[in-house]
Amino acid sequence: KNQVEQSPQSLIILEGKNCTLQCNYTVSPFSNLRWYKQDTGRGPVSLTIMTFSENTKSNGRYTATLDADTKQSSLHITASQLSDSASYICVVPNAGKSTFGDGTTLTVKP
Amino acid sequence: GAVVSQHPSWVICKSGTSVKIECRSLDFQATTMFWYRQFPKQSLMLMATSNEGSKATYEQGVEKDKFLINHASLTLSTLTVTSAHPEDSSFYICSASDRGRNTEAFFGQGTRLTVV
Repeated sequence: KNQVEQSPQSLIILEGKNCTLQCNYTVSPFSNLRWYKQDTGRGPVSLTIMTFSENTKSNGRYTATLDADTKQSSLHITASQLSDSASYICVVPNAGKSTFGDGTTLTVKP
Repeated sequence: GAVVSQHPSWVICKSGTSVKIECRSLDFQATTMFWYRQFPKQSLMLMATSNEGSKATYEQGVEKDKFLINHASLTLSTLTVTSAHPEDSSFYICSASDRGRNTEAFFGQGTRLTVV
């Protein structure tokens, strides 16, 4: 069964600190892995897309890593801002559908 | 980046009435659009896959006669919640893939439906 598991479920950090979110998947065959940011009451917004051959990809203060051998990905947020407070969702498409993780709820406090 | 627009952003309706939600791809053609439902503090649940010019494919447990999906063009899909009940109150989100890129799904901003 295709699954995507994210950890931690929730995280609270102080503004300016870094954090790392984890995503483990068992989706097969694998083509790509996506990280989305979802603000409360809004639709998800794409942060990065990692293909099989990519190990690291950055988008501003967001850096995603992918280890296709261990089927793990991480999203590292540098110098967090209050606006980073949101749910971060890991998504792995397969056969035209997507398997969603339950997300990590990040709260950045001043 | 590609833009997917959903309308309305929120709607309140009475029990027993029907509500239509639109999902438009503004600057690309989407042969496939997806409809999701999201409950508070939960992840997105796929309801159905909408293919232009053909019948939608519904996930197990989703009533196709209650959630009518129409994908009449490459830029528009609609979800109609028929005979709405309070338990249909939820956040509905659509997504569309740019058939030219075929690797990324763009999400609409979501529609908050409240049935009273």
